[in-house]
Amino acid sequence: EVQLLESGGGVVQPGGSLRLSCAASGFTFSKYGMTWVRQAPGKGLEWVSAMSGGGDNTYYADSVKGRFTISRDNSKNTLYLQMNSLRAEDTAVYYCAKTGSSIAASRLNYWGQGTLVTVSS
Amino acid sequence: DIQMTQSPSSLSASVGDRVTITCRASQGITNYLAWYQQKPGKVPKLLIYAASTLQSGVPSRFSGSGSGTDFTLTISSLQPEDVAAYYCQKYNSAPYTFGQGTKLEIK
Repeated sequence: EVQLLESGGGVVQPGGSLRLSCAASGFTFSKYGMTWVRQAPGKGLEWVSAMSGGGDNTYYADSVKGRFTISRDNSKNTLYLQMNSLRAEDTAVYYCAKTGSSIAASRLNYWGQGTLVTVSS
Repeated sequence: DIQMTQSPSSLSASVGDRVTITCRASQGITNYLAWYQQKPGKVPKLLIYAASTLQSGVPSRFSGSGSGTDFTLTISSLQPEDVAAYYCQKYNSAPYTFGQGTKLEIK
């Protein structure tokens, strides 16, 4: 059974940093692209970042480019999102999701439960 | 960047109705389109990918069609458990943008 478990969310002040983790199990992690998607309170889904299975290709939304960094440790079956220079508008539930292939350009067939990030002073 | 526009933004229909939600891409994306369902308070769930391929386990009353710039999600006979927000997403190339969502309610 595929499982994705996010952690690392919390309350942080504007300008601060946070690192999210997503622990994966139930599939061969290194063979699949992974994605971060966020959802602000009461709003729709926003694609944030994605990475190919081998980690050689990364992609970012313009809204987070230069501030967020996606990475993965295939030996630990874990996906990360390093978030720097956080702003109030980054407040959201952050989901990690598995893609349907080794590349990032694929449907998102499994989702974690999400972790809440609140940026507030 | 390619924009994804869904319509309507909200919809109210009766049980048993045929419901159609549309998604339009500002440029052609061939068939690199997925549809997701998010029930209130729940995690999004993949319904359809490659514009028309039903994800395993999804009821057959859901179907998708389209190619290029215009896509539709159809529920052939609306059920009470279909109350949810529905999102399209393009995945031909980054950014893998979502539509703004369609909130579906029962009349």
